[in-house]
This record gives sequence, structure tokens and C-alpha cells, in this order.
Amino acid sequence: GIQVEQSPPDLILQEGANSTLRCNFSDSVNNLQWFHQNPWGQLINLFYIPSGTKQNGRLSATTVATERYSLLYISSSQTTDSGVYFCALGGGADGLTFGKGTHLIIQP
Amino acid sequence: SQTIHQWPATLVQPVGSPLSLECTVEGTSNPNLYWYRQAAGRGLQLLFYSVGIGQISSEVPQNLSASRPQDRQFILSSKKLLLSDSGFYLCALGQGGEKLFFGSGTQLSVL
Repeated sequence: GIQVEQSPPDLILQEGANSTLRCNFSDSVNNLQWFHQNPWGQLINLFYIPSGTKQNGRLSATTVATERYSLLYISSSQTTDSGVYFCALGGGADGLTFGKGTHLIIQP
Repeated sequence: SQTIHQWPATLVQPVGSPLSLECTVEGTSNPNLYWYRQAAGRGLQLLFYSVGIGQISSEVPQNLSASRPQDRQFILSSKKLLLSDSGFYLCALGQGGEKLFFGSGTQLSVL
């Protein structure tokens, strides 16, 4: 099956800092998505990005399908950005395969 | 826009007891529905997938079963819970191109 690797596994930053989260995958891109899981467990879909670049406020994502990786950028971090960020891809009968996530802590 | 209702938020059950978790969706028709489990705060595992009423695909052999009695209702069940069934259970809805949206989840503790 598809292998999804995320790095770094843990990241601690001060408020206002910028960060880059990486997702490497083993197979052709299909439905690549980024999620944020807040401390209460709620999973929010941030981006649906099988290729190219998208931006939403302080967050942006880029997927380079030919090189099998995707990046999530967070600028001017806020404490509410804390949580776990997941990359996932696949879909259809196999559902989405999730990476193990990056646990981000933003300190005030 | 679509809404996913999942309840209860937390559940504590003894080993050997039955389980029924319900997920209902609004604002969409004929959705693809999923049950995921998350253990130890990381890593989501797909348990079941449904493309329509009565159609269930199981991804892993386990002590659980799923049913879809109505288009917008997806139920996760067990006849006898095991300790290893503890975890965070999430219902999800897939839309056009399979962009995935999740419910708020149920934290299940089997004691």
C-alpha cells in the first residue's frame, strides 16, 4: 500500500515563528490532503492539494507530484495553530492513508 | 454545506458489553461514509467504508462491524467489546474527488 512519511514528528515554536511541515509519499498522488487535529480531537480539512500550490490565510501548501512530496507552510504562528498536522492520500475503496502526523506546539 | 453528527462524545464500556456508535450526515446525498479509529493520539486507521445503503467494505479483520441502514446514517457496532477496542472513533464523509470531512469523534474506553 501507499507509504506516507511526515517530518518532523514533533515541533515546538514560539508564537510568531514560521514553520514548514513535510510529507513524503511512495506512490502516485491521489487526493492528497492536509488536516489539522486540535487538542480536542477535531480534524479539520485544511487543503485538498493533489498538485500545485494553494493558500488560505497564514497557511499554504505545495505538492510536487513528480517528486512525491508535499509541504505545509505556517506563517506567523499563533497558539491556536497547536495540534497535530496530518498528511493523507489515496481515497475511493481504499480510503485515505494517513501519515503519523507532526505534533506542533506553539508557545506564547 | 454538509454536517456530520457523531455521538456520544465519550463512552466508557466494560469488556464484553455491546457497542453502537451512530453517525448521521446532513446537507448531502449519497455520500461515501467512513469509520476511522485513532489510537494513542496518532495515526488514523480506516475500519469501514460505504458507498451506499447496505454496502459495507471492511479494511481490517476485527471485533467490529458496520451498517448503513439509511443513506445518511452509518453505524459502528460490536457484540462484545475487547480492551483493544479502546480508541478514538471518527466518522468521515467523502465528497467529489474524495475530499474528506470528519465528525467530532467518540472517545471509547473499554475497561
